[in-house]
Amino acid sequence: DGGITQSPKYLFRKEGQNVTLSCEQNLNHDAMYWYRQDPGQGLRLIYYSQIVNDFQKGDIAEGYSVSREKKESFPLTVTSAQKNPTAFYLCASSNSLFGAFFGQGTRLTVV
Amino acid sequence: GDSVTQMEGPVTLSEEAFLTINCTYTATGYPSLFWYVQYPGEGLQLLLKATKADDKGSNKGFEATYRKETTSFHLEKGSVQVSDSAVYFCALSETGGYNKLIFGAGTRLAVHP
Repeated sequence: DGGITQSPKYLFRKEGQNVTLSCEQNLNHDAMYWYRQDPGQGLRLIYYSQIVNDFQKGDIAEGYSVSREKKESFPLTVTSAQKNPTAFYLCASSNSLFGAFFGQGTRLTVV
Repeated sequence: GDSVTQMEGPVTLSEEAFLTINCTYTATGYPSLFWYVQYPGEGLQLLLKATKADDKGSNKGFEATYRKETTSFHLEKGSVQVSDSAVYFCALSETGGYNKLIFGAGTRLAVHP
């Protein structure tokens, strides 16, 4: 089945630690996105990528990094510079006119 | 920059009531417009879309019409069910190179029997 897969579903991070969230899609979409969602709030764009080896900062990129070495994969690293990383992270892919398909999300908690 | 504004929630309705969730947008060019739904603990699912002015998107009894003159894309359903309880997001896809997706803040809908 075609779709977009995020892993893990739950992730715990210690203070000062970097963690990487995985996002894989087999929809052959060019564009991929990372969003952050805080409780009771909307989605804020972290990074997005339209093609392999190219990505752009979104509205809240500080403390995050991404790579796009393959069309299917767009991992997000939450670095120790991100001071408030506890949130629900959503990855999406799209073919522009037909909307985005979302993964099931990763809930990151700082312990 | 482009933006999306939704009515604040929560919206609380009885089963079989009529639903309207307002959405207006600000954009340069001619964006595509979307409604997404999010159930607790899950990702977002595309509910419906419209790609040009006067288009009507529809799915599962929900409808929304792309109104360029009022820059609106209001979501409606004639008779809601308890299973429609969720958070609804209005979104636009920017025109131009990166087609960045911009979301509204979301509107929580609670339907009671």
